[in-house]
Amino acid sequence: SQKIEQNSEALNIQEGKTATLTCNYTNYSPAYLQWYRQDPGRGPVFLLLIRENEKEKRKERLKVTFDTTLKQSLFHITASQPADSATYLCASRGTGFQKLVFGTGTRLLVSP
Amino acid sequence: DVKVTQSSRYLVKRTGEKVFLECVQDMDHENMFWYRQDPGLGLRLIYFSYDVKMKEKGDIPEGYSVSREKKERFSLILESASTNQTSMYLCASRGSVRAGANVLTFGAGSRLTVL
Repeated sequence: SQKIEQNSEALNIQEGKTATLTCNYTNYSPAYLQWYRQDPGRGPVFLLLIRENEKEKRKERLKVTFDTTLKQSLFHITASQPADSATYLCASRGTGFQKLVFGTGTRLLVSP
Repeated sequence: DVKVTQSSRYLVKRTGEKVFLECVQDMDHENMFWYRQDPGLGLRLIYFSYDVKMKEKGDIPEGYSVSREKKERFSLILESASTNQTSMYLCASRGSVRAGANVLTFGAGSRLTVL
C-alpha cells in the first residue's frame, strides 16, 4: 500500500543554520507533495506544494525539492529561527482523488 | 482567508456517551474532512464529504458517523464513546479538486478525552 514516511526523531539545530527534513514515499508515484507546519495543540497549516514535474519550489526562507528517482522530497528552512520550531508534515494524494495521506511528521527544534 | 472553526477545543466525556464534534467553514468549499491524530500514527482520515448529504468512509470509520446537512457544516458523531477514541480530532476543508484546489485548510482541533 502507499506510504509516506518521515523521520520520527526530532531534529535539533542551532539558530541560523539550515534545517533539512525528509519525506520518502513508497509504492506509488504522487503527482504532488505538500508540506504543512503544525504547532502544538493546533491544526496543520499549509506551507508549500511541489508537483512531480517541478524539481524545486521556494517561498521566502523555505525550499522544497522533489526527486522522483529517489522517491523523496526534502524540505529546507534556511537561516532558521526559534520561531520555526514546530512539527512539519508531508502529505500527498492517496487512493482516490479526494484523499490526502499524511506522514507522521518530524519535530524541529531550533535553539537560540 | 478560509476559516475552519471547530466548536469545542477540549471535551471530556464518559464511556458510552454520545459525542458531537462540529465543524464550520466559511469559504463555500465543497469538500470537508475529519481526521484524528495520535502520537506515532499521524493523521488518519475518518470520513469525508464532497457535497451536501454525501459522505465517504476514510481509513478508520469504525465507531464514527458523520452528518452534512448544509454545505458549510460537517459534524462527526461518536455514537457510544470509548476510551480508544481519546484523540485530537481535526476538521479540514478544501475547494473543488476539478478546479485545481488540493490544499487542505484545517481547524484548530478538538481534543477529546474519554474516561
